[in-house]
Amino acid sequence: DAGITQSPRHKVTETGTPVTLRCHQTENHRYMYWYRQDPGHGLRLIHYSYGVKDTDKGEVSDGYSVSRSKTEDFLLTLESATSSQTSVYFCAISDWRAGSYNEQFFGPGTRLTVL
Amino acid sequence: KNEVEQSPQNLTAQEGEFITINCSYSVGISALHWLQQHPGGGIVSLFMLSSGKKKHGRLIATINIQEKHSSLHITASHPRDSAVYICAVKKGTDKLIFGTGTRLQVFP
Repeated sequence: DAGITQSPRHKVTETGTPVTLRCHQTENHRYMYWYRQDPGHGLRLIHYSYGVKDTDKGEVSDGYSVSRSKTEDFLLTLESATSSQTSVYFCAISDWRAGSYNEQFFGPGTRLTVL
Repeated sequence: KNEVEQSPQNLTAQEGEFITINCSYSVGISALHWLQQHPGGGIVSLFMLSSGKKKHGRLIATINIQEKHSSLHITASHPRDSAVYICAVKKGTDKLIFGTGTRLQVFP
């Protein structure tokens, strides 16, 4: 398995509070992604990063911000959590290796509940 | 209409059966990704392919670029194959577009 960890693995918080999720990788992959997974939807991209300090928005970026100050860590912040952000959040990493098509590898997920 | 459609949404099978899960897409792609997610579990990459066929153990993935269609086959299915199987297509170089998944249950 690719060396990807996410913390925390579970979190319950209240509406209006800030929340930060961390993705840590030991693979030195260039690309990192944050997705959310909700019933009835496929995985949806929130933000992604193509290098240190280089990030871009995905399809569902409203209400989320990210930071990547070093290769191994990609942080996802909910500035003021809302109940609609209750979801399972997955981090993924990828890099261009011979024959790999920039294949993505996923972390174990973080289950976030906003009350 | 979703850019990536999977069928069926749910599938039940008896142990030993041959299983096929389909994925159709409507956009130009550079590659297609099959993933597996066990209940409450993480997401595991099974295959990534851009043409032809790939095989790994009892799993076979095929893709027809002209018809914009891919299939995932499981031979001699087993209860441990019970999972959600997700198809995703790569547009361009970095991003994936995901289907909503096919939930497979294999009974002994």
